[in-house]
Amino acid sequence: GENVEQHPSTLSVQEGDSAVIKCTYSDSASNYFPWYKQELGKGPQLIIDIRSNVGEKKDQRIAVTLNKTAKHFSLHITETQPEDSAVYFCAAGGSYIPTFGRGTSLIVHP
Amino acid sequence: NAGVTQTPKFQVLKTGQSMTLQCAQDMNHEYMSWYRQDPGMGLRLIHYSVGAGITDQGEVPNGYNVSRSTTEDFPLRLLSAAPSQTSVYFCASSYSVRSSYEQYFGPGTRLTVT
Repeated sequence: GENVEQHPSTLSVQEGDSAVIKCTYSDSASNYFPWYKQELGKGPQLIIDIRSNVGEKKDQRIAVTLNKTAKHFSLHITETQPEDSAVYFCAAGGSYIPTFGRGTSLIVHP
Repeated sequence: NAGVTQTPKFQVLKTGQSMTLQCAQDMNHEYMSWYRQDPGMGLRLIHYSVGAGITDQGEVPNGYNVSRSTTEDFPLRLLSAAPSQTSVYFCASSYSVRSSYEQYFGPGTRLTVT
């Protein structure tokens, strides 16, 4: 089955800095790569996703890049704000039921 | 739409007790799934369903049962609770639109087994 590694487990940045979270996957058949944000006490919520036929996708301050050859993908958050503080999960798979990484706790200091 | 609802929010069980975690969605989604979240372990798939009457095992199915008699409901049963099942449980439903397979998660059930 699919195995997803996510790094770092904790990321601390100053407000306004950029944050990058990286993931690798093992199954070359995976073609869907979503990112979820989980705020304290809530369920995860999709923030951006990308399919394997696209190398990069951007939505305002967040972007995701995918390198299929190296089997890794990354989440980039620019101009971080305190409300970006949360746990972020990457995932990889075929479609509806992807495999999740272990999560990154992002802390944005005002 | 209420989205994905889960009950109860909190539960304490004694070892050996059984219980059912309820999950319901009102979005007519075909796919539903149950995850457990433990510190440092991410979200691990317990069971999932691709439609009414069809269920399958995920990564950590032992000690849990599911059924899907309707599109809306996907209950998770703990047969004989063990301390190792202390966790936060999330139910999710999925749909597809324009190549995106977004999962909608419920608010979670925090379960403690003593």
